[in-house]
Amino acid sequence: GESVGLHLPTLSVQEGDNSIINCAYSNSASDYFIWYKQESGKGPQFIIDIRSNMDKRQGQRVTVLLNKTVKHLSLQIAATQPGDSAVYFCAEIPDSGGYQKVTFGTGTKLQVIP
Amino acid sequence: DTEVTQTPKHLVMGMTNKKSLKCEQHMGHRAMYWYKQKAKKPPELMFVYSYEKLSINESVPSRFSPECPNSSLLNLHLHALQPEDSALYLCASSQAQDTGELFFGEGSRLTVL
Repeated sequence: GESVGLHLPTLSVQEGDNSIINCAYSNSASDYFIWYKQESGKGPQFIIDIRSNMDKRQGQRVTVLLNKTVKHLSLQIAATQPGDSAVYFCAEIPDSGGYQKVTFGTGTKLQVIP
Repeated sequence: DTEVTQTPKHLVMGMTNKKSLKCEQHMGHRAMYWYKQKAKKPPELMFVYSYEKLSINESVPSRFSPECPNSSLLNLHLHALQPEDSALYLCASSQAQDTGELFFGEGSRLTVL
């Protein structure tokens, strides 16, 4: 989603349901994508990554899907828990600058309703 | 608990002050980063050090001066800042050249009066 002004896109999910957070990227040459979670008052925390030669990767309770055709990335969280409440950022490595140029996209705030 | 330690957690400074932010990691990582984050915005890359050499400077104004004294330490020297520089400054480190997995500290919240 896109942020407007000072408002982050927000996704509200009932505890126990699955969450899907979406991200659109603009650089078709980017070949490596990462999801980060940022809890209030903390720095971002790595969740999962995916390279462009894959379209799906699974971790513990999380799945990342990559659709290069439409330049879209999604993060699926299974059985969402209150501890999942945070802002989620997708990040990409552009084709220049090497692996160090981790560029964050607009975040999505996930609110888990108990 | 984060393994990247940033000090101070909070800093208030005037526009004529000189101050420094400090970052330390003991994970043996050879790349270290400074990011700036404004409220409700994503972190924005400022500087990257790789093997103690500055490898990326994202056109940051010279009033921000990074320094990497050794592979475990990263400083950000601040001088003649503007109120719009008020933000959360995040330090991160990473292990290798082929990963986007950054380990972040909790940040230093800077207020410029």
